Amino acid sequence: DVKVTQSSRYLVKRTGEKVFLECVQDMDHENMFWYRQDPGLGLRLIYFSYDVKMKEKGDIPEGYSVSREKKERFSLILESASTNQTSMYLCASRSGGAINEQFFGPGTRLTVL
Amino acid sequence: GENVEQHPSTLSVQEGDSAVIKCTYSDSASNYFPWYKQELGKRPQLIIDIRSNVGEKKDQRIAVTLNKTAKHFSLHITETQPEDSAVYFCAARGGGNTPLVFGKGTRLSVIA
Repeated sequence: DVKVTQSSRYLVKRTGEKVFLECVQDMDHENMFWYRQDPGLGLRLIYFSYDVKMKEKGDIPEGYSVSREKKERFSLILESASTNQTSMYLCASRSGGAINEQFFGPGTRLTVL
Repeated sequence: GENVEQHPSTLSVQEGDSAVIKCTYSDSASNYFPWYKQELGKRPQLIIDIRSNVGEKKDQRIAVTLNKTAKHFSLHITETQPEDSAVYFCAARGGGNTPLVFGKGTRLSVIA
């Protein structure tokens, strides 16, 4: 069974804080993704990575950065959290190749006060 | 890039009736179309997918159809049950190792 885990289910931070969201997968997947989910807006891609130390911008990268130092771990970083980054953040992974199932983590609900 | 439109945004059906959710995509090179179900408070999970060389695929009460010419695909759920209540997302992936592009989701409510 593929397992994608995220470091926190709920997180409350203050405006201006640096926030780290961690994602770990245990199936040796090459590809990892970070999405944010907001009501009525669906799943929007923030950043993705096809390999260690590689990263690509998604549709809404502004205000975020990522780090992938190890194949199993993909971190999302909010350099200076703002209230409009209050959201549900979902990590996902899948193996290489064009057509493979994508597995999601349980999500982190981040509230920025 | 790819753009996926999904309709309706909300759908209520009586238990036992059928539900249909429709999606359109813009990139004719897209070749993989999965559907995800997200129950309240849970992660999205794949329920069915279809590839561009297939027109229809069924798995028990759910089916997906694909019309490549019109660039649209649909999810059909027959004999709906209360446990089908969830948010459903369609997605499309272009050629190569490009990311999935998701629709905005449909909230399906099955009324007992």
